[in-house]
Amino acid sequence: EVQLMESGGSLVQPGGSLRLSCVGSGFSFSDYWMSWVRQAPGKGLEWVANMKYDGSENNYVDSVKGRFLVSRDNAKNSLYLQMNSLRAEDTAVYYCARDRGDDYGDYRLFNYFDLWGQGTLVSVSS
Amino acid sequence: QSALTQPASVSGSPGQSITISCTGTSSDIGSYNLVSWYQQRPGKAPRLIIYDVNSRPSGVSNRFSGSKSGNTASLTISGLQAEDEADYSCCSCAGNTASFGGGTKLTVL
Repeated sequence: EVQLMESGGSLVQPGGSLRLSCVGSGFSFSDYWMSWVRQAPGKGLEWVANMKYDGSENNYVDSVKGRFLVSRDNAKNSLYLQMNSLRAEDTAVYYCARDRGDDYGDYRLFNYFDLWGQGTLVSVSS
Repeated sequence: QSALTQPASVSGSPGQSITISCTGTSSDIGSYNLVSWYQQRPGKAPRLIIYDVNSRPSGVSNRFSGSKSGNTASLTISGLQAEDEADYSCCSCAGNTASFGGGTKLTVL
């Protein structure tokens, strides 16, 4: 079965750190860009970060730049999100998603997310 | 990276058609035919239902259709069914990143 499964979410104090993991199965993980998308309670979806299939490129939403770090280990079919200096506004369900796009030589255009995990909850509170 | 604008809620009766709008700018929806839509039931992960403005993944009902005009994309659901009650979110290419709408809650009366 083609699926993604996240783990690592928990309650953490403001200023703290947390590392999320996502394991893919049923498809060739190393062939795909992967993203983290979050959803704050009662709010809409927000793209957070993505990483190229070989780990050579990544992108972040402005609000997490310098605090979050995305990485991957293709040998373990895994994507990670290291979250540092956490704030209350980072509270959300974090989804791992397979990120489809169109490559044009030196640049890539994002297109859609065709596979999602079930999400893991991160709560930032004292 | 600004969000796209969707109505907070829409409603319709079984058998009717509804349309959900998604308004962006010339930097996202207006620049690319790369709009996708996601269905999300309570407590569940999003599910892709439309990509490339008007393409449907395998297994998605043909009651779902998409369109775009200028900076605004639209999702139409025809022949509403009770099972369509969910949140619907649009998403657009914003270069090498994604921009989402705030989501629209569909209520089937």
